[in-house]
Amino acid sequence: DVKVTQSSRYLVKRTGEKVFLECVQDMDHENMFWYRQDPGLGLRLIYFSYDVKMKEKGDIPEGYSVSREKKERFSLILESASTNQTSMYLCASSDGTLNTEAFFGQGTRLTVV
Amino acid sequence: AQSVTQLDSQVPVFEEAPVELRCNYSSSVSVYLFWYVQYPNQGLQLLLKYLSGSTLVKGINGFEAEFNKSQTSFHLRKPSVHISDTAEYFCAVLNTGGFKTIFGAGTRLFVKA
Repeated sequence: DVKVTQSSRYLVKRTGEKVFLECVQDMDHENMFWYRQDPGLGLRLIYFSYDVKMKEKGDIPEGYSVSREKKERFSLILESASTNQTSMYLCASSDGTLNTEAFFGQGTRLTVV
Repeated sequence: AQSVTQLDSQVPVFEEAPVELRCNYSSSVSVYLFWYVQYPNQGLQLLLKYLSGSTLVKGINGFEAEFNKSQTSFHLRKPSVHISDTAEYFCAVLNTGGFKTIFGAGTRLFVKA
């Protein structure tokens, strides 16, 4: 079974803090994604990566950056957390060759106070 | 540009009744189509997918969906629901050969005893 593991289920951070969300997958997938989930808006893509050190902006990249130094790990960084970044964050990975379904982590619920 | 519209934000239904969750998409190119399910406080998991071939697709937990190219729809159905089907359901589309999966806003299914 594919496993996508997010380092924290729940996080509470203060406004202005730098926040790191970590994601690790164990199936050698090329593609990795960070989504943000908000009620009534579904999942919105923040950033994705199709290879080590490669990254592409998604639909809502403002206020975020990412890092992919190793194939299995994809980190989301909030440079200076703000209250409007309070949300559920979901990491996913997919096989670059087959380009089909995404496998998701359990999610990190981030609250910025 | 692609988009996905889930026509119902919430669907209440009694146990053992049939249910249909509606999904329409728009895309100028060929697509793959997916339904994902999210149980409370969990990540998303794949319910079923359409890649090619038969337009009727069967998934896990007794769900099925029908791809209708002329109506650009991919509605999800189950003939008899259980309490345990209470969850949020997301329709998603991916361009063939693309990287970015686009998700709908989600439909909350409430199954009542």
